Amino acid sequence: DAGVIQSPRHEVTEMGQEVTLRCKPISGHDYLFWYRQTMMRGLELLIYFNNNVPIDDSGMPEDRFSAKMPNASFSTLKIQPSEPRDSAVYFCASRSTGMNTEAFFGQGTRLTVV
Amino acid sequence: SQKIEQNSEALNIQEGKTATLTCNYTNYSPAYLQWYRQDPGRGPVFLLLIRENEKEKRKERLKVTFDTTLKQSLFHITASQPADSATYLCALYTGGFKTIFGAGTRLFVKA
Repeated sequence: DAGVIQSPRHEVTEMGQEVTLRCKPISGHDYLFWYRQTMMRGLELLIYFNNNVPIDDSGMPEDRFSAKMPNASFSTLKIQPSEPRDSAVYFCASRSTGMNTEAFFGQGTRLTVV
Repeated sequence: SQKIEQNSEALNIQEGKTATLTCNYTNYSPAYLQWYRQDPGRGPVFLLLIRENEKEKRKERLKVTFDTTLKQSLFHITASQPADSATYLCALYTGGFKTIFGAGTRLFVKA
């Protein structure tokens, strides 16, 4: 397996534009997580899915953020409209069921909103 | 409020010495704690997991301790090498399959 695949690796967009980040989890993993990482706040959990169903979205900062998982092999994180303070690295991670299994992270998407 | 605290200052050590990183938490009762390594421009990579009923775990040059009374985990790298230079993150499993991360500690190992 190629691991968790995220696209794009880098995204630069203007304030007010819609941004869509994509993630392909590891095949067979039934949990998918979206994290955001900044120097100030570290790695924050935004939302996670189990079997394609959103379980906890309490970390989503505002209604401008939304996430979907239409099938087991694809998820999106959308920001509309984007703002400069959304600039961060966004990571997707997946794991399989089990109390003690680790999360596998993608390479991340570095988002810059100007 | 719930907090996970790691040394915000970077840790600089000489090659061959033991690096010790600290993770303290408040208002959590984690079932287990994990340590991850993150290199610049990459996602975190899992290193070790320790359960609440375990005091110590080892893997090659790595050792983790977990004190649920002190609410603290220590992460040791013995015989450190320049290749060990990275940011190390501790993560708590808080139930409901949520994993919450600390901000990480940067380690620099000088040759």
